[in-house]
Amino acid sequence: EVQMLESGGGLVQPGGSLRLSCAASGFTFSSYAMNWVRQAPGKGLEWVSVISGSGGNTYYADSVKGRFIISRDRSEKTLYLQMNSLSAEDTAVYYCAKGVYSGSLFFDYWGQGTLVTVSS
Amino acid sequence: EIVMTQSPATLSVSPGERATLSCRASQSVSSNLAWYQQKPGQAPRLLIYTASTRATGIPARFSGSGSGTEFTLTISSLQSEDFGIYYCQQYNKWVTFGGGTKVEIK
Repeated sequence: EVQMLESGGGLVQPGGSLRLSCAASGFTFSSYAMNWVRQAPGKGLEWVSVISGSGGNTYYADSVKGRFIISRDRSEKTLYLQMNSLSAEDTAVYYCAKGVYSGSLFFDYWGQGTLVTVSS
Repeated sequence: EIVMTQSPATLSVSPGERATLSCRASQSVSSNLAWYQQKPGQAPRLLIYTASTRATGIPARFSGSGSGTEFTLTISSLQSEDFGIYYCQQYNKWVTFGGGTKVEIK
């Protein structure tokens, strides 16, 4: 059974940093690109970033480029999102999401989400 | 960035009736279009990809159509468990989501 469990969310002050984790199981982690998608309270979905199965290729939404870093540990089957220079606009539930196929950008499995709140 | 526009914002449908949701892209996305259902407090659930392919385990009452810039999700006979917010997503050029259509049970 595919499972993905995010952790690391919480309350952080503006300008601060936070690292999210997503522990994956039930599939060949290294074979799939992995993504982060966020959802501000009461708002729609916003794609944040993707990393290839090898970890060698990454891409970011313009809203987080230069501030967020996506990475993965293939041995630990864990996806990460390092978030720096946070602002109130980054307040959201952050989901990790797996593509249906190895490189696809539509997502069949999602974690339960972890809430990040940026506030003083 | 490709902008995805969904309509209507809210749809009230009686059980057993047909529901038709629309999604428009600001430029062609070919058939690289997915639909998701999201219920309160839950992660999104993939319904449709490549515009018309049902995801694993999705009932046949859900169908998708369209290509280019105009897409439709149809729920042929709405069930009470189908309430929620429906999002379209293009993946032709990276990823953008529509703003969602809230389906209410009348």
